Amino acid sequence: EVQLLESGGGLVQPGGSLRLSCVASDFTFSSYAMSWVRRAPGEGLEWVSGISAAGGNTYYADSVRGRFTISRDNSKNTLYLQLNSLRVEDTAIFYCAKAMAGTLGAFDIWGQGTMVTVSA
Amino acid sequence: EIVMTQSPATLSVSPGERATLSCRASQSVSRDLAWYQQKPGQAPRLLIYGASTRATGIPARFSGSGSGTEFTLTISSLQSADFAVYYCQQYNNWPPWTFGHGTKVEIK
Repeated sequence: EVQLLESGGGLVQPGGSLRLSCVASDFTFSSYAMSWVRRAPGEGLEWVSGISAAGGNTYYADSVRGRFTISRDNSKNTLYLQLNSLRVEDTAIFYCAKAMAGTLGAFDIWGQGTMVTVSA
Repeated sequence: EIVMTQSPATLSVSPGERATLSCRASQSVSRDLAWYQQKPGQAPRLLIYGASTRATGIPARFSGSGSGTEFTLTISSLQSADFAVYYCQQYNNWPPWTFGHGTKVEIK
């Protein structure tokens, strides 16, 4: 079954760091662009960061640029998001999402999400 | 950045009725528009891409239309499983890829 499985979320103090992981299965991970999308409590979906299939191009929302870093290891079928200098407003469920073939941003497969809580 | 505006914020519909959800882009996105459904505690699910193409496994009661800046998602006869939040998203002009704030479809 095609799926994405995130991990790495948790409770962290403001200013802290976390590393999220997303393991892909049953599709050719290295052929597809990937993104991270988050949903804060009571809010809608917000695209956070994306990366091209080979990993050579990365993209960030203004709200996270300079604090978050996206990367991937195609040999391990794994997507990462390094979260540094976390703020209370970063509290959200973080989803990894696979882009459809031929696009960078129509997302056809989503993980179940991992919760990041930033609180003192 | 392209701003996506969805209306209404909440739509109250009886089972079996038709639901019409709107999405407007602040500038043309051609037909690079997707619709997603999200239920509480679940991940979003792709319903429509390319403004009008149903994703794999999506029932025919879901249909999308529009191009440029005005888009519509229609659910022809609402079933209990369809009560959820629906998001539109553009993927024409990026980054960022932008979502609307969502329309909650609730039972009337």
